[in-house]
Amino acid sequence: KQEVTQIPAALSVPEGENLVLNCSFTDSAIYNLQWFRQDPGKGLTSLLLIQSSQREQTSGRLNASLDKSSGRSTLYIAASQPGDSATYLCAVGSNYGQNFVFGPGTRLSVLP
Amino acid sequence: NAGVMQNPRHLVRRRGQEARLRCSPMKGHSHVYWYRQLPEEGLKFMVYLQKENIIDESGMPKERFSAEFPKEGPSILRIQQVVRGDSAAYFCASSPDRGEQYFGPGTRLTVT
Repeated sequence: KQEVTQIPAALSVPEGENLVLNCSFTDSAIYNLQWFRQDPGKGLTSLLLIQSSQREQTSGRLNASLDKSSGRSTLYIAASQPGDSATYLCAVGSNYGQNFVFGPGTRLSVLP
Repeated sequence: NAGVMQNPRHLVRRRGQEARLRCSPMKGHSHVYWYRQLPEEGLKFMVYLQKENIIDESGMPKERFSAEFPKEGPSILRIQQVVRGDSAAYFCASSPDRGEQYFGPGTRLTVT
């Protein structure tokens, strides 16, 4: 059974810092991995999708990497802004099913 | 192309009533997923449907919960005889294939 963890659970940084969020999964037989952000009381916004054959994806100030063999993905946010404050969720799609298994999230606060 | 639509956004039901949650996928998407987010918990998969078929319902409670995705119209998640423990945010996602999932804004169900 796939289990997904995220470290740290919460992070507070001053504006302008570069930061890294970590996601770990126990079963390396994954189909894909997707990073989302969730604002309080809102839905999920897709940030980046990495297929199992890919090593990284980039979108603007965001870069996500995937290392299947070690069961890890990282989300790198460059030059953080207060508007980046949200909960960041990692979701893993397995080869055996169609659904995502979500991590518990990292709650990010970027201070002005 | 409008995003995934869910209605109602907020639903209040008394214990024992029925709750019906609707999800209209993005145009051209035939895969629909339902997830539940309990207070202070992560997102958990409930059911995966394609048009007129339930593909995976391994995350659905065995009793009181059902889902459908008819040939015409939205996908419906139905909860019969609601209890306080059903209070949660219910999210629907759609995809055109087994790739990226696009989430709706969610329905927040409160059982009084």
